Amino acid sequence: GAGVSQSPSNKVTEKGKDVELRCDPISGHTALYWYRQRLGQGLEFLIYFQGNSAPDKSGLPSDRFSAERTGESVSTLTIQRTQQEDSAVYLCASSSQGGYNTGELFFGEGSRLTVL
Amino acid sequence: AQSVTQPDIHITVSEGASLELRCNYSYGATPYLFWYVQSPGQGLQLLLKYFSGDTLVQGIKGFEAEFKRSQSSFNLRKPSVHWSDAAEYFCAAQGAQKLVFGQGTRLTINP
Repeated sequence: GAGVSQSPSNKVTEKGKDVELRCDPISGHTALYWYRQRLGQGLEFLIYFQGNSAPDKSGLPSDRFSAERTGESVSTLTIQRTQQEDSAVYLCASSSQGGYNTGELFFGEGSRLTVL
Repeated sequence: AQSVTQPDIHITVSEGASLELRCNYSYGATPYLFWYVQSPGQGLQLLLKYFSGDTLVQGIKGFEAEFKRSQSSFNLRKPSVHWSDAAEYFCAAQGAQKLVFGQGTRLTINP
């Protein structure tokens, strides 16, 4: 597609349920990031994929959070046993370059998660 | 630890006034530096970036930023703001790997 696509755009779930958020990066982009943005807050780094390298998971807040990426395409962010503090907008971004020479990051519109 | 700091959470300026948004970074070596803007209801958009060379970089929408190594700063400026500049502004830095964002500065424009 022309840009980074995220789905669902909005998700309301009950506390304790699992959720999956999907990101389709721009075709050919090797780098993919997930960020979390709580209401009125900045961007909190979650995880970074670069090509076939091991992902940088240093930003995942707990073991309830996990993410996968199939090759250089789709990525899924999974949150297990959701808690109310997980409510946020989850942003995905991709770039044609990674490592110490990243190009511009292209962001999706985000997936807004509300945990009741 | 690598970090990016935006000291001002919220700034209000009058339309037509000049603007400076502050950004400081803490990295072992000079990282690549970016400014992004997030307008209400829209995704993040790159304003400008600094990799090397001229320390004054020009971006879109009339913005510029100056890299000052001695101060570990990369402040964003605009000579005359427009009401449409009201948004959240994020400074970001990248070292060897991931891109790290500051907490953002919310800009309000008074008519």
